[in-house]
Amino acid sequence: DAGVIQSPRHEVTEMGQEVTLRCKPISGHDYLFWYRQTMMRGLELLIYFNNNVPIDDSGMPEDRFSAKMPNASFSTLKIQPSEPRDSAVYFCASSFGGGAYEQYFGPGTRLTVT
Amino acid sequence: LAKTTQPISMDSYEGQEVNITCSHNNIATNDYITWYQQFPSQGPRFIIQGYKTKVTNEVASLFIPADRKSSTLSLPRVSLSDTAVYYCLVENSSYKLIFGSGTRLLVRP
Repeated sequence: DAGVIQSPRHEVTEMGQEVTLRCKPISGHDYLFWYRQTMMRGLELLIYFNNNVPIDDSGMPEDRFSAKMPNASFSTLKIQPSEPRDSAVYFCASSFGGGAYEQYFGPGTRLTVT
Repeated sequence: LAKTTQPISMDSYEGQEVNITCSHNNIATNDYITWYQQFPSQGPRFIIQGYKTKVTNEVASLFIPADRKSSTLSLPRVSLSDTAVYYCLVENSSYKLIFGSGTRLLVRP
């Protein structure tokens, strides 16, 4: 398996623009997680899905953020409109089992909002 | 709510054993404690997980006391390539996943 795939790897956009981050989890994994990493706040869980259903989105910072998982092999994290404080590295991870069970992370998307 | 505490940084020399402790009170009673390694510009990579007592795999050991209020990652005979940031991951009693703030390990020749 190629592991968790994320695209794009880097995204630079202007404030106010819509940003869409994409993730393909490892085949057969039933949990998918979206994290954000910044120097100030470290690694934060934004939302996670189980069998394509959002289970906990309490980490989503505000309504500008939304995530979908239309099928078992694809998920998106959308920010609309984007703001400079959204600049961070966004990671997608998947696992076969929930909670703190072993998760496999993608390479991340580095987002810069100017 | 659970709060995790890790040392900010640690220094070691090649060949030494390194122990990194994460303190985590009020965690879920029925979930794993997991540790990850992260290199610059990469996603975290799973190292080891455990529920209680001691777990060992080919790269590390994990010690968890009976009260599960802490866990210690043990890296035997570190090498320069072990220089990285190490994170603990726990689930708190409200079933929220929480990463520790990370411990930056520097291994010197």
